[in-house]
This record gives sequence, C-alpha cells and structure tokens, in this order.
Amino acid sequence: GAGVSQSPSNKVTEKGKDVELRCDPISGHTALYWYRQSLGQGLEFLIYFQGNSAPDKSGLPSDRFSAERTGGSVSTLTIQRTQQEDSAVYLCASSLLAGLSGANVLTFGAGSRLTVL
Amino acid sequence: DQQVKQNSPSLSVQEGRISILNCDYTNSMFDYFLWYKKYPAEGPTFLISISSIKDKNEDGRFTVFLNKSAKHLSLHIVPSQPGDSAVYFCAAISNPGNQFYFGTGTSLTVIP
Repeated sequence: GAGVSQSPSNKVTEKGKDVELRCDPISGHTALYWYRQSLGQGLEFLIYFQGNSAPDKSGLPSDRFSAERTGGSVSTLTIQRTQQEDSAVYLCASSLLAGLSGANVLTFGAGSRLTVL
Repeated sequence: DQQVKQNSPSLSVQEGRISILNCDYTNSMFDYFLWYKKYPAEGPTFLISISSIKDKNEDGRFTVFLNKSAKHLSLHIVPSQPGDSAVYFCAAISNPGNQFYFGTGTSLTVIP
C-alpha cells in the first residue's frame, strides 16, 4: 500500500486478556519497527525486524510481549495477559533500509490506541 | 536511560516568529539525526535530517543545526505558521545498531 497500515485503530480490552495488533508496512520495506507511546511519554522502542535476520527484541518490556513478521511483510504484536500499564498508542514504522543513509527514514502508521480497563 | 532528550515539553510562539526546538544526546556513536512532526491521532512524519558530518541542513522554512562537541541539535522554523503546531520529536540513529532513539517530544503551539 501507499503507507503503513495499522489495525485496529482503537482497542479497549479488559485486564488479563490477550490482544493482537497488526501492522502492514510499505511494500518493499525491509525494516519494520514497533514503538509505543504512553501518555505524556516519548516513543519507546519495542522491537525491530530487518529482512531475514533475527529480530532485535531488546525493547520488549516483558515476556508478555511478542511480535512476529510473516513472510517479511505483515507484523503482529501480541500482548498477553494485558495490564493497565500496557495502555498506550502502539506505533509501527517501516523503512527501505535499516542502515545509515539519507534515505533511511521511518514511515509511521497512525498507530493502534490500546486501552486496558 | 534516555539517550536523546528534549527538555522542553512545550513551546509557544507567535505566528511569523522563529521557533527553536532543542535536543540533546549522550551517545557519541550517533551519526544521523532526524526530526519528526506528529499531529494528534496520526503517526509521526519525517521532517528533516542531518548527518553527523554536517553542522547545518536547510529545507525551506526548516533548518536543523548540529553541534557535535556539545551533543546538541536544534530545529529552527522560520517564519512559524499555525499549521506548524504539533509535537516534534528528535531522533538519532546509532552506529552500529541501526536503532532509532527518540526524544520525549516538544509540543509547539504557534499562536495566530
């Protein structure tokens, strides 16, 4: 597609339930990142995928969080047993190259707003 | 540990005046810096970038300045327009690592 697409745009769930957030990156973009923005906070890195390499999971806050990227395209971020502190906007971004060049900019989706009651 | 810092959470500027948004970083291995702009309910959009080998990059009303010795960069918007009202994030790319580090953002309000 023309941009990074994320779904759902809004999700309200009860504490303890599992949620899945989906990201459809720009076609041909090899790098995909997940960030989250909690209220009043900056962008917190969660995980990134680059091609067929093992993902960098160093930002995942706990083992309740996991992500996969199937076929080098669509990615799903899964949060198990959600907690109220998981409430945030989850942003997905993709880029053509995960490298150092003037063309390496992230294109973000509009985000998925998660509210855990 | 916040490696990219934006110490001003908000800034108000009169239309037509200059807006200056500041960003500090701690990691000397950062070698590429970017500014993103975010409107409510939208994802951040890329605005302007600068390589660490330069000290200035200009694109229309937007100029980014980099002071490597001070580990400081700034974004200048002149003249400021009401449509510039948004949250601005500073970001840095690590070398090695290909990781983007974002600041906490500065909310700019341009007053008509």
